[in-house]
Amino acid sequence: AQRVTQPEKLLSVFKGAPVELKCNYSYSGSPELFWYVQYSRQRLQLLLRHISRESIKGFTADLNKGETSFHLKKPFAQEEDSAMYYCALWESGGSNYKLTFGKGTLLTVNP
Amino acid sequence: NAGVMQNPRHLVRRRGQEARLRCSPMKGHSHVYWYRQLPEEGLKFMVYLQKENIIDESGMPKERFSAEFPKEGPSILRIQQVVRGDSAAYFCASSPNEGDRGYGYTFGSGTRLTVV
Repeated sequence: AQRVTQPEKLLSVFKGAPVELKCNYSYSGSPELFWYVQYSRQRLQLLLRHISRESIKGFTADLNKGETSFHLKKPFAQEEDSAMYYCALWESGGSNYKLTFGKGTLLTVNP
Repeated sequence: NAGVMQNPRHLVRRRGQEARLRCSPMKGHSHVYWYRQLPEEGLKFMVYLQKENIIDESGMPKERFSAEFPKEGPSILRIQQVVRGDSAAYFCASSPNEGDRGYGYTFGSGTRLTVV
């Protein structure tokens, strides 16, 4: 069963427009969720994690347990935000700990 | 702290050869994870290791692929008799002990394997 769903494979917006990258999860325990970003041909970097409720590069994400969502938002997109974004769920069970990633959303911010 | 180090960055192998990918976790991290990223695909979990132990290899192909994380030295992902379909970016990540669940991972820069 797919635990992390990112319904949009591609998302294109204009500079200055709001952007929302969707992420839904399925998990029976108390979820811990993350957003990772991968700029062109670079390593994945942690963007933010829900547990710290931080805002990085203007991005925020709120965990909505009722809707089982963790959408990533930014009010005004910039061209340098163009990248691949992955939502990830931390799974734990016994001694098994791992991140399960969604398939990613490629965000393109047009000038 | 040098972060997660992967080498080589790029690896070209002919069909049938062996590929060995190395990953040194961040200092103080005892958990290593390998992921594969196929062209235009997301990250696929392969294997999760702790020192001298394979914890979860549910994402590893049943044949030709193996991984280890010895007591000394880096973690190794080994692909025997490579085929063109093995061409991908292979990312390693590490995390501290399981007590710090909110930490997430730190990723390496990846090894891009090309099978010709």
